[in-house]
Amino acid sequence: SYELTQPPSVSVSPGQTARITCSGDALPKQHAYWYQQKPGQAPVLVIYKDIYSPSGIPERFSGSSSGTTVTLTISGVQAEDEADYYCQSSDSSGTYAVFGGGTQLTVL
Amino acid sequence: QVQLVQSGAELKRPGASVKVSCKASGYTLTDYNINWVRQATGQGLEWMGWMNPKSGDTGFAQKFQARLTLTRDTSIGTAYMELSSLRSEDTAVYFCARAPREIPPAISWFDPWGQGTQVTVSS
Repeated sequence: SYELTQPPSVSVSPGQTARITCSGDALPKQHAYWYQQKPGQAPVLVIYKDIYSPSGIPERFSGSSSGTTVTLTISGVQAEDEADYYCQSSDSSGTYAVFGGGTQLTVL
Repeated sequence: QVQLVQSGAELKRPGASVKVSCKASGYTLTDYNINWVRQATGQGLEWMGWMNPKSGDTGFAQKFQARLTLTRDTSIGTAYMELSSLRSEDTAVYFCARAPREIPPAISWFDPWGQGTQVTVSS
């Protein structure tokens, strides 16, 4: 079955830039989406179609794509950004949605 | 304000079924698809399947095809997820999430999500 691979954890100091990657063979063909999930809460969409931000999401959140890897970048990280982040995409045929294993972002 | 409001926590015995509801608020249920995603404690997100509430069409992850039923009642703007033959490994928080209907179901984004429903399977 198709898998998306994320690093289990990323740590940054406040004000620095955090980059979270997501790798998958079908990513050149399928869009990726990113969600932020804080403890005890439902996920929140922060990036859609690789690079677009929904309204209400701070401008410090951005997305990029290159080949089989997509990246969520958080510029000027704030303490409130500490959360788990998940990428989502689909297999190459577009039949099944798939989530990455999640990345825990720690703000030091 | 667009919201999905889910039913409350459930405790079920192994082998039983559970039915979770997801009520659309602030928009018309049939204008968007509904997806279901679950999350075991301390684990990641797992996609289960989707429903087009307008047509009734559904699609499922292979893992759940034999045990998952997705239905809706458009008169009250509510979608339902029923999982049968429950086992302890099904203990998780179950989320519904809205997806654009004009985009093929498995390749669209999910926004917003319901608050989640804890389902515990224990003897």
